[in-house]
Amino acid sequence: DAGVIQSPRHEVTEMGQEVTLRCKPISGHNSLFWYRQTMMRGLELLIYFNNNVPIDDSGMPEDRFSAKMPNASFSTLKIQPSEPRDSAVYFCASSLRGAIETQYFGPGTRLLVL
Amino acid sequence: GQQLNQSPQSMFIQEGEDVSMNCTSSSIFNTWLWYKQEPGEGPVLLIALYKAGELTSNGRLTAQFGITRKDSFLNISASIPSDVGIYFCAGHDAGGTSYGKLTFGQGTILTVHP
Repeated sequence: DAGVIQSPRHEVTEMGQEVTLRCKPISGHNSLFWYRQTMMRGLELLIYFNNNVPIDDSGMPEDRFSAKMPNASFSTLKIQPSEPRDSAVYFCASSLRGAIETQYFGPGTRLLVL
Repeated sequence: GQQLNQSPQSMFIQEGEDVSMNCTSSSIFNTWLWYKQEPGEGPVLLIALYKAGELTSNGRLTAQFGITRKDSFLNISASIPSDVGIYFCAGHDAGGTSYGKLTFGQGTILTVHP
């Protein structure tokens, strides 16, 4: 079975541009998490969904960030407009509801905003 | 919010040596997790701990859930070159609105010299 799939793996964009990161969770998993990893702040939870419904978005840094999960097999994280300080690795993870410990992480999207 | 302090930040050891790293929290967790992250990949779960005082092994890895529920340690015995990576602790508090959220430590970078 395929793991969590993220695309693109790398993204380089200019400040002010819109960035869309995509995630396909493991089939059958009903919880999905978006994380951001930087050297300064480590791994931070941005938002998570249960059964496609956003449960906690308190980690979303500001209004420029938005996340959607239109169905059980797809989620997006959008940054509009992007800024250089958004440069980071963004991870998507999925798990079965109630199995918090078994979050399976995707390979991440490395974002560079110039 | 909850804070996790992980130490040491980095370790340089010789192959065959034992390794120990730990995490302390400003508040109580009811689940402690240890992950390993290799370059270009997302974190992978190594060990999950669910009860205060619990000691769990996974091959050469041993982890313990502290009695106070505010700390945990991970030991790696007889290190080998493929142990290289970043090790993260993570805590989960199921109380209130925190359900589903993992708080991560800053990571320990492990380098093993052959």
